[in-house]
Amino acid sequence: ETGVTQSPTHLIKTRGQQVTLRCSSQSGHNTVSWYQQALGQGPQFIFQYYREEENGRGNFPPRFSGLQFPNYSSELNVNALELDDSALYLCASSSQGYEQYFGPGTRLTVT
Amino acid sequence: AQSVTQPDIHITVSEGASLELRCNYSYGATPYLFWYVQSPGQGLQLLLKYFSGDTLVQGIKGFEAEFKRSQSSFNLRKPSVHWSDAAEYFCAVGAPTDSWGKFQFGAGTQVVVTP
Repeated sequence: ETGVTQSPTHLIKTRGQQVTLRCSSQSGHNTVSWYQQALGQGPQFIFQYYREEENGRGNFPPRFSGLQFPNYSSELNVNALELDDSALYLCASSSQGYEQYFGPGTRLTVT
Repeated sequence: AQSVTQPDIHITVSEGASLELRCNYSYGATPYLFWYVQSPGQGLQLLLKYFSGDTLVQGIKGFEAEFKRSQSSFNLRKPSVHWSDAAEYFCAVGAPTDSWGKFQFGAGTQVVVTP
């Protein structure tokens, strides 16, 4: 059974650019949640996708958007990058009501 | 609005000694409660969870946690710490009325284990 995978592992972007992060959910899981973890802080919920629909959103601006595909993998897109977007981005997959499994994260640095 | 507080940013403990990590939450009803561990460069691993029922919850790696409604706390304990327990620990809450997975995390407690 393959766990949650994320790509890329690291990337560096310039302020104002756009970025796409990818997450492959664990087999059998239909829900993907995205979190932002700034240095020295706990993860903050960005949004969740359930069966290809957004199913809950945290306090993040609209320039944070996402997609979920029929195979339940997901993308997180961030437009107009700001320095404060530098963080570890975690994705977690689950079936509704059951344990979330987290991926290793993507470290985004915005310069 | 729900919130989670982990009062201790950093704890140093000797190998073999006991460990207790504190977690306090603010929520109108009993939330779902979780403890996660994060090792450097890795994602989060669930140690244990509380939904309802017995207030003493057993988890993996010898950890346990006790839910105390009167104190709005969910403290994590381990009787004897191993060097491999050095990591960052996060308490999280989820509202039963919210979408599953919309968890609020505390700021974390860094645990250092000395020989």
